[in-house]
This record gives sequence, structure tokens and C-alpha cells, in this order.
Amino acid sequence: TQLLEQSPQFLSIQEGENLTVYCNSSSVFSSLQWYRQEPGEGPVLLVTVVTGGEVKKLKRLTFQFGDARKDSSLHITAAQTGDTGLYLCAQMTSASGTYKYIFGTGTRLKVLA
Amino acid sequence: GAGVSQSPSNKVTEKGKDVELRCDPISGHTALYWYRQSLGQGLEFLIYFQGNSAPDKSGLPSDRFSAERTGGSVSTLTIQRTQQEDSAVYLCASSLDLMNIQYFGAGTRLSVL
Repeated sequence: TQLLEQSPQFLSIQEGENLTVYCNSSSVFSSLQWYRQEPGEGPVLLVTVVTGGEVKKLKRLTFQFGDARKDSSLHITAAQTGDTGLYLCAQMTSASGTYKYIFGTGTRLKVLA
Repeated sequence: GAGVSQSPSNKVTEKGKDVELRCDPISGHTALYWYRQSLGQGLEFLIYFQGNSAPDKSGLPSDRFSAERTGGSVSTLTIQRTQQEDSAVYLCASSLDLMNIQYFGAGTRLSVL
């Protein structure tokens, strides 16, 4: 069974600090998605990374896909209180013509004013 | 509608009762997904529909769970003889097709007393 492990599980930082969260797989990703989920809402897609070594930037968020496509990181520069939420990585797997979406365990980020 | 709509938003039920959760996907989206999220955790993939067909039901936690989709639109997730361990947020998502971005609803919070 493919697992997605995220670290750290919890993170509490002051506004303005930088942080990195990680997503690791037991096997190679075909592609990987990062989501953010706020309380009482469903997850919202932030980015999809596809190519090993790929780096994507979304304002203050930088997403990196490992060269071997077994790990990914999300770096936030100068965190703001609006960045607070649950960050999830996810990937789609397929076998025998059917599909599953596997989500990571999540990193719960709290940014303090 | 503009987004994925789930109803009810909250459901409190007694152990042993049946519950039905509803998902209205974005119009025109052929793929629909159900997930379960326990308190503060990542998402557990339950089932997906391509049109009205669910190719793989192995992700449903037990035979008390069933799901159907009619007219390529509305889907219902039914839990029979609810147990306390069924308490969770049940999230629905839809996408244009299986390879496209998933848009999530806000979820149904189920509490089994």
C-alpha cells in the first residue's frame, strides 16, 4: 500500500517567519498535488508537480518535487496569518484500470500574529 | 451551481440508524469522488464515479457503506446501521474528468451518538 507521510504534523510559527513542510512516499510519484484546507471547508488545490526536480512558485509559496519523484516540499516565505490551515499532499494511483487518490497525513500550520 | 454542494452540512444520528449524505457536483463534471476525514486527519479515499459508474468499491470501509450516482449528476453516500466510528467529515469532490482538478464541497459532519 502506497503511503504519503507528511512532516511535521503540527507547526506553530510567528508571522514573518519562513517554514518548510515535507511529503514523502514509499514509492515513486507519477505526479503530486498540494492542497490547503481551512476549517469547515474542503481542500483547495494549490499546485500540481509532475517532473522530477521541478520547482513551482505561487507568490510566497515554493513547491519542489524531488529528483527521484519520491518526495516533495512546500516552502512558505514570510508566513502570514492567512496561511493558517491544513496542508495536504496527494497523488493519484492507478491499477488494473481503476484509480485511487491517496492523501498524506497533513501538516497543520498555525501562523500567529 | 457554482460549486460542489453537500447536504446536510451537519448530521447527528443515533447508533444503528441509517444516514444518507448528498452531493451535488459542479454541472458538467463527469467524475465525482467521496472521501472521509476523521478529526484533524488527512483524507481517506472511499469511492469515485466516472459518469454513473463506480469501477472500484474496495475503498468503502465496510458493507454498511454504499454509494450511487444517477443522471451523471447527484450522488448519495448511504451508511446503514451507523456506528460511532463512522463519525467523521464526509467530503465530496467533482472534476471535469478523472485527470482534472478536483473541486471539493464543504463536507457533511456526521456525528454518531
